[in-house]
Amino acid sequence: SQQGEEDPQALSIQEGENATMNCSYKTSINNLQWYRQNSGRGLVHLILIRSNEREKHSGRLRVTLDTSKKSSSLLITASRAADTASYFCASHSGGGADGLTFGKGTHLIIQP
Amino acid sequence: GAGVSQSPSNKVTEKGKDVELRCDPISGHTALYWYRQSLGQGLEFLIYFQGNSAPDKSGLPSDRFSAERTGGSVSTLTIQRTQQEDSAVYLCASSLMLTYRDNNSPLHFGNGTRLTVT
Repeated sequence: SQQGEEDPQALSIQEGENATMNCSYKTSINNLQWYRQNSGRGLVHLILIRSNEREKHSGRLRVTLDTSKKSSSLLITASRAADTASYFCASHSGGGADGLTFGKGTHLIIQP
Repeated sequence: GAGVSQSPSNKVTEKGKDVELRCDPISGHTALYWYRQSLGQGLEFLIYFQGNSAPDKSGLPSDRFSAERTGGSVSTLTIQRTQQEDSAVYLCASSLMLTYRDNNSPLHFGNGTRLTVT
């Protein structure tokens, strides 16, 4: 079954507003990572949160992790048009690359 | 410094032909990964290399798919007798994975090869 299911699948907001994306996973994890993908490009790593962490910040990004609910959220504050992209969570549940599972992503559109 | 480089960026091929996709990882990155992304979908794990060895090949969709890595650097993904369902973007990534159990190294992705099988 698919780990790292993002919600919503698509989100459209006005520039300046905050955007929140959620991710759920099924098995216990070592860490959870968020990536961004611009159209026609590869994924870019944004932030990694370990299983023993509950919240992490990086610039305008805020990630939370709730291991009891097997969920994570990514908050982008004061959104900009350049934030338009697809956002993926990836849960790591074991050693090696086969333990990193990506979801289908949330497509975020920031309207100017 | 240079990022992960993939070539070609686009490949159109006829059904039944073989294709070879190339990935040049970031210098010094010991781990290299191949993923497949279909339109509007997430990433499907195919295979990864630690150095030149591939500990797990179970992600490869069929025996028409193979991959190799030489010199701990460049990797090639080969698809034999391509089928229309092979059409997708093939993404390569590398990471500074110091040990097998080092799972906190982020992945650095290339821009992918868009494969279209007609």
